[in-house]
Amino acid sequence: QVQLQESGPGLVKPSQTLSLTCTVSGGSINSGSFYWSWIRQPAGKGLEWIGRIYTSGSTNYNPSLKSRVTISVDMSKNQFSLRLSSVIAADTAVYYCAREGGAIAFDQWGQGTLVIVSS
Amino acid sequence: QSALTQPASVSGSPGQSITISCTGTSSDVGGYNYVSWYQQYPGKAPKLMIYDVSNRPSGVSNRFSGSKSGNTASLTISGLQAEDEADYYCSSYTSSSTGVFGTGTKVTVL
Repeated sequence: QVQLQESGPGLVKPSQTLSLTCTVSGGSINSGSFYWSWIRQPAGKGLEWIGRIYTSGSTNYNPSLKSRVTISVDMSKNQFSLRLSSVIAADTAVYYCAREGGAIAFDQWGQGTLVIVSS
Repeated sequence: QSALTQPASVSGSPGQSITISCTGTSSDVGGYNYVSWYQQYPGKAPKLMIYDVSNRPSGVSNRFSGSKSGNTASLTISGLQAEDEADYYCSSYTSSSTGVFGTGTKVTVL
């Protein structure tokens, strides 16, 4: 059973860059035809798809975040990462990493990590 | 891309059936058979309940079923149980090769 775990700073200052890493255990990130995704959820609100990366390095991003988002993969560490630049208070949310087992079908999720944007 | 539209809340008594709708456009829900449904308890990560419109992952109760007509997908929960009280979200693949979630529905078991 693949497991995912998010890690990174829980507090980021406005205008700075949010950086999170998702470590995949119990299986190789390079095995199978999976996309690896980031999703976020502000407190009391719904889920927002941020973007995804395939093991080939191919990426897709939410158009509303595309100018600020970079998702990358490090297969040697079995990790993939999220960078969100120029953050504002509205970027405060629980950030989840997930495995996409089918087209936008997220079958494995991390537990989520809360990131607060505040000075 | 706009979030898919779901009712804010749906309720039912134990044993009843309820249906949650998820309305999009021909560029997402209506254009592909790639609609998924998730169950989320407070403070927990979502759990995949339905994928590809109507398929259940292993281990998900057959009380959960999915369907689609035009630009609207639906999740039906039959034989409603107290443990089904949670938030439910739909998601869809889009014509831009991106994903989009629904606005979410809170299910209350009366």
